[in-house]
Amino acid sequence: GDSVTQMEGPVTLSEEAFLTINCTYTATGYPSLFWYVQYPGEGLQLLLKATKADDKGSNKGFEATYRKETTSFHLEKGSVQVSDSAVYFCASGAGGSYIPTFGRGTSLIVHP
Amino acid sequence: GAVVSQHPSWVICKSGTSVKIECRSLDFQATTMFWYRQFPKQSLMLMATSNEGSKATYEQGVEKDKFLINHASLTLSTLTVTSAHPEDSSFYICSASSRDIGGNTIYFGEGSWLTVV
Repeated sequence: GDSVTQMEGPVTLSEEAFLTINCTYTATGYPSLFWYVQYPGEGLQLLLKATKADDKGSNKGFEATYRKETTSFHLEKGSVQVSDSAVYFCASGAGGSYIPTFGRGTSLIVHP
Repeated sequence: GAVVSQHPSWVICKSGTSVKIECRSLDFQATTMFWYRQFPKQSLMLMATSNEGSKATYEQGVEKDKFLINHASLTLSTLTVTSAHPEDSSFYICSASSRDIGGNTIYFGEGSWLTVV
């Protein structure tokens, strides 16, 4: 079946450091790919998405590129802030009744 | 953009009572919604797939008689935790898929914290 694998955390960085959270997927067909962010005590918010190969999703300084050849959708940010501390989930989905598949989440902790 | 609203955000109930959580798609129709449960510092656990006008499809290990799901309309799904016990205390999240320009996007409700005392 479909699966999403993302790097285990926690990822601990100093403010202004470069961030990469790896995500790879297996899927039948061509799903859309997503990154969600969950701040402490809150629900999941869509951070960015890409719907086809070579698409780049971006939002709030975060970027991820849909790489079909490596089945990856790594999340990057050039300079993290303390306010970016949260749990990040990578997901794939094709909509409708197609059950979305989530990674296990990666906790990011950014120190001042 | 598409919004999914969940209510209530927080609920405390006594052991043995039932509690209902609503999930609404505010500006799109969702024939399918998903209910998840999340334990502290853990990932999402899919409980069931809610289908408008038909019975929900439950994941293995999820008690359908305890977690009643009703998808009465294209914009509303409800999860009722019946005869709640302290071990049912958790964070419950719903999601729905919206067809946007260029593809589908999965949107989540804000989540509902359930505490059973």
